[in-house]
Amino acid sequence: GAGVSQSPRYKVAKRGQDVALRCDPISGHVSLFWYQQALGQGPEFLTYFQNEAQLDKSGLPSDRFFAERPEGSVSTLKIQRTQQEDSAVYLCASSLTSGIGETQYFGPGTRLLVL
Amino acid sequence: SQELEQSPQSLIVQEGKNLTINCTSSKTLYGLYWYKQKYGEGLIFLMMLQKGGEEKSHEKITAKLDEKKQQSSLHITASQPSHAGIYLCGADRGSTLGRLYFGRGTQLTVWP
Repeated sequence: GAGVSQSPRYKVAKRGQDVALRCDPISGHVSLFWYQQALGQGPEFLTYFQNEAQLDKSGLPSDRFFAERPEGSVSTLKIQRTQQEDSAVYLCASSLTSGIGETQYFGPGTRLLVL
Repeated sequence: SQELEQSPQSLIVQEGKNLTINCTSSKTLYGLYWYKQKYGEGLIFLMMLQKGGEEKSHEKITAKLDEKKQQSSLHITASQPSHAGIYLCGADRGSTLGRLYFGRGTQLTVWP
């Protein structure tokens, strides 16, 4: 596709529900990032994939958060037993290769509201 | 936590006016990215600066990275309503993996 796409665009979940957020990166992009953006804040790093390998998951806030990219393209961010503090916009970004100086292109985000 | 300080937090200008947004880091930057975000949308890439003293322009937007590579400014000339949105700076701190650290953003409103 022309850009990074994410689905769903909006998700309302009841506290305790599990949710799955999907990211389709730009075709051929090796690197994929997930960020979390709370209201009024800048995006904060969650995790990074190089192809199918998850090389950095240091930003995941708890073991309720899990991400995968099994075939090195589409990625899914799963949140188990959602809590109200998980309400945020979840942004996915991809870049052609990895490392310094590679521009990250962002998707439109998934806005998650946990009630 | 926010690694970068942006100022001002918000800015309201009349159409046609010039404006500047600043981004300051306490650590040396390997790369500095400027993005624009509109409500409900993702981040749109504007420019990336890597070298100290570097300056880049696109249409009416100019970004500079100071010699010490710890501060960047984004300047908009003759602002238009289409420039309205949230401007975010993102820092590459030299990680081989390329993760970015973002400021809180500057909310720009341009009134006709």
